[in-house]
Amino acid sequence: QKEVEQDPGPLSVPEGAIVSLNCTYSNSAFQYFMWYRQYSRKGPELLMYTYSSGNKEDGRFTAQVDKSSKYISLFIRDSQPSDSATYLCAMSAASGYALNFGKGTSLLVTP
Amino acid sequence: EAGVTQFPSHSVIEKGQTVTLRCDPISGHDNLYWYRRVMGKEIKFLLHFVKESKQDESGMPNNRFLAERTGGTYSTLKVQPAELEDSGVYFCASSTVDSTDTQYFGPGTRLTVL
Repeated sequence: QKEVEQDPGPLSVPEGAIVSLNCTYSNSAFQYFMWYRQYSRKGPELLMYTYSSGNKEDGRFTAQVDKSSKYISLFIRDSQPSDSATYLCAMSAASGYALNFGKGTSLLVTP
Repeated sequence: EAGVTQFPSHSVIEKGQTVTLRCDPISGHDNLYWYRRVMGKEIKFLLHFVKESKQDESGMPNNRFLAERTGGTYSTLKVQPAELEDSGVYFCASSTVDSTDTQYFGPGTRLTVL
């Protein structure tokens, strides 16, 4: 069983839709949870970071962590064509440790 | 402030040859990480430097891979001899000691072994 599972998609939504991206994980030691956004031929860019369980909101983005279910989510409100990218979840057991990534979900927001 | 830079952006080599990838972290970042993404797979951790010391090299696939960070600034990752399965995108990331949970990634080096 992979430590981090993420549906690769692709996911196609119309502009303005609410997008829900998810990851599940198996390692209960994970405490730090991140979402990265990656545009084609670029490196991953940190989007959201959450420590332990709870919600975090930043503009149109909301990250949720449910450690009891080993499930994390990223919601994008009022999606824009510029949000079209691959979204990667990543997590680690301690700050500064190696990140464990999901495969990434490819998102396309159509005008 | 310049971001993490990697060189070359793309390398095509024959099986059995040697390739050296370079990463320049953000200035002042003591933590430096190497990751690799093989086609169809997730990004996987290779190793972690704190300054010039190897903190964690548990992800290095075998002894054909050698990473160095002399002087605690830039890092090199040498693959010798390269095999077909080494093809992929090699990412470098860096972070500060104070904000270790924020890793900044470079654009990656796309390695193709023929």
